[in-house]
Amino acid sequence: AQSVTQLDSQVPVFEEAPVELRCNYSSSVSVYLFWYVQYPNQGLQLLLKYLSGSTLVKGINGFEAEFNKSQTSFHLRKPSVHISDTAEYFCAVSDAGNNRKLIWGLGTSLAVNP
Amino acid sequence: DADVTQTPRNRITKTGKRIMLECSQTKGHDRMYWYRQDPGLGLRLIYYSFDVKDINKGEISDGYSVSRQAQAKFSLSLESAIPNQTALYFCATSDPPLSEQYFGPGTRLTVT
Repeated sequence: AQSVTQLDSQVPVFEEAPVELRCNYSSSVSVYLFWYVQYPNQGLQLLLKYLSGSTLVKGINGFEAEFNKSQTSFHLRKPSVHISDTAEYFCAVSDAGNNRKLIWGLGTSLAVNP
Repeated sequence: DADVTQTPRNRITKTGKRIMLECSQTKGHDRMYWYRQDPGLGLRLIYYSFDVKDINKGEISDGYSVSRQAQAKFSLSLESAIPNQTALYFCATSDPPLSEQYFGPGTRLTVT
């Protein structure tokens, strides 16, 4: 069965510092990988996704993630964060078959401090 | 206008009451989902529907039921609400073959 582990439940960081949010997954089949962001009092929106091709994926708001098949990881990075990046970030995985349900990590709360 | 809408956005109800949460979408997607979000527990799938005639239980369906009235509408019911159903509820849609899901703004439900 597939599973997703977000290795940090909370990540505090100062404004303009770099940040990495870590995500590991387990699956015996080909997968699609996603990062979603949830701003306070809002729904979730897609930040970026990996379906195939280049392992470095660029998303909205300056975020990027790298798919590492050998380490079964999909870590999210941003070189310089802003106060407005304060949010909950969710990693998700789906199989590449017909089901395509998303399996979700528990989320990482990113707090950007001035 | 938003592609995925949920009504109501906030609801306070009493234990034992029946309540319905509604979701509508204009994206034309066949697949729709209901999730609940609790602090520290992430998103948990309650029910999902791959089309109007295909409805499936998720990981936490006990105490909930759903109705897929049309491709665009998917309702979640709590037949007899209990306090531990207090949570944030999200509706989402997706369009195969992609897995990407599109979320509504959420309904904050409080059961007293």
